[in-house]
Amino acid sequence: QQQVKQSPQSLIVQKGGISIINCAYENTAFDYFPWYQQFPGKGPALLIAIRPDVSEKKEGRFTISFNKSAKQFSLHIMDSQPGDSATYFCAASRNSGGSNYKLTFGKGTLLTVNP
Amino acid sequence: SAVISQKPSRDICQRGTSLTIQCQVDSQVTMMFWYRQQPGQSLTLIATANQGSEATYESGFVIDKFPISRPNLTFSTLTVSNMSPEDSSIYLCSVFPTGNSWSEQFFGPGTRLTVL
Repeated sequence: QQQVKQSPQSLIVQKGGISIINCAYENTAFDYFPWYQQFPGKGPALLIAIRPDVSEKKEGRFTISFNKSAKQFSLHIMDSQPGDSATYFCAASRNSGGSNYKLTFGKGTLLTVNP
Repeated sequence: SAVISQKPSRDICQRGTSLTIQCQVDSQVTMMFWYRQQPGQSLTLIATANQGSEATYESGFVIDKFPISRPNLTFSTLTVSNMSPEDSSIYLCSVFPTGNSWSEQFFGPGTRLTVL
């Protein structure tokens, strides 16, 4: 049973465009939702994360939108750049009260930004 | 933050042999995790390795196949035993630094394993 579903599997956008990646989760005990960026040959690196007490978090060109009732969250990359070309993973974990901090990952989205 | 190094960075091994992967962290961390990333796939948690206790394995992973050691707060090893080509993957360690429950989980660069 996949607990975090991510779409699309791949995405191609033009430089300057908006990239949108969506995730949906099933386990209502999840309370921490990070997005990781992974370049070829490297380990994943945290891009931005959100907790369910807010509906949106923005850091520079990256924004997470969170819909608790729908159990969905999404990553928006504004003004996408060729250097953003990477694989993006959404994830979820439980980090509070008897938690285990174990990350459950989506299947990843390969983003290509054309110059 | 935490800086993580893994050894080896990559290896090619023969079927039936074993490989031990090392994970070194530049600071003391309570929680450490081992993940597997099969080619072009997502990350799957193998086990949680906390210092001073036995590793906790996820469904589908067993200690005989993936023994883990955690001798101190900065080091861990994962052994992939009796390897088969299906074990060809990237193996990553990650750490959850001691303290803030909402702090970042950091990943190492991974060990790329190919089994022939």
